[in-house]
Amino acid sequence: DIQMTQSPSTLSASVGDRVTITCRASQSIGRWLAWYQLKPGKAPKLLIYDASRLESGVPLRFSGSGSGTEFTLTISSLQPDDFATYYCQQYNTYRTFGQGTKVEIK
Amino acid sequence: QAQLVESGGGAVQPGRSLRLSCAASGITFSSHAMHWVRQAPGEGLEWVAVISYDGSYIYYADSVKGRFTISRDNSKNTMYLQMNSLRAEDTAVYYCARDPAGSGYYYFDYWGQGTLVTVSS
Repeated sequence: DIQMTQSPSTLSASVGDRVTITCRASQSIGRWLAWYQLKPGKAPKLLIYDASRLESGVPLRFSGSGSGTEFTLTISSLQPDDFATYYCQQYNTYRTFGQGTKVEIK
Repeated sequence: QAQLVESGGGAVQPGRSLRLSCAASGITFSSHAMHWVRQAPGEGLEWVAVISYDGSYIYYADSVKGRFTISRDNSKNTMYLQMNSLRAEDTAVYYCARDPAGSGYYYFDYWGQGTLVTVSS
């Protein structure tokens, strides 16, 4: 099975900060990676697919990069609505998620 | 308004059964594969099962194989998850999610808000 490792597990930041979350795969997954935003009681939201393609309607402050085994999600200027938990997910071989990164208010 | 709505969750004793439903509205359902994903309390996301757009391809996570059955009724825009022989470790919020393709090999572009299943004696 492909293991996905996210870092950090928790991130404290302020509004306006640039935030970067890393996701590493245990073997190469090409660019078959997605990022999601989860908030309690709400439907999870797709942000990025194919490592760097922005889902329709997602603000441009979100971006994704990487290929092979190392990927990043960047929020260029953190907004109040962005405090949430973020997950990466590979779909190269079946589907596995990272363990999540909680972005909290500093 | 595009939405997926799960229902059927609740509290159940170990060894019993439960059937979840996922109703789609405002989005195309019949040409897309559908998935179930769960999140145990305080834990991360775990993919559970997938069914292709026509039901010809079905696959399960090892943790539920032989106990859970995924199905769909395209005439009702609804997907189901029959959960038998439930265990305490099946306690989780269960989400239904749509695959952007019909095959079921990709990511999840629409999600529901989830339904809580609690397995406890």
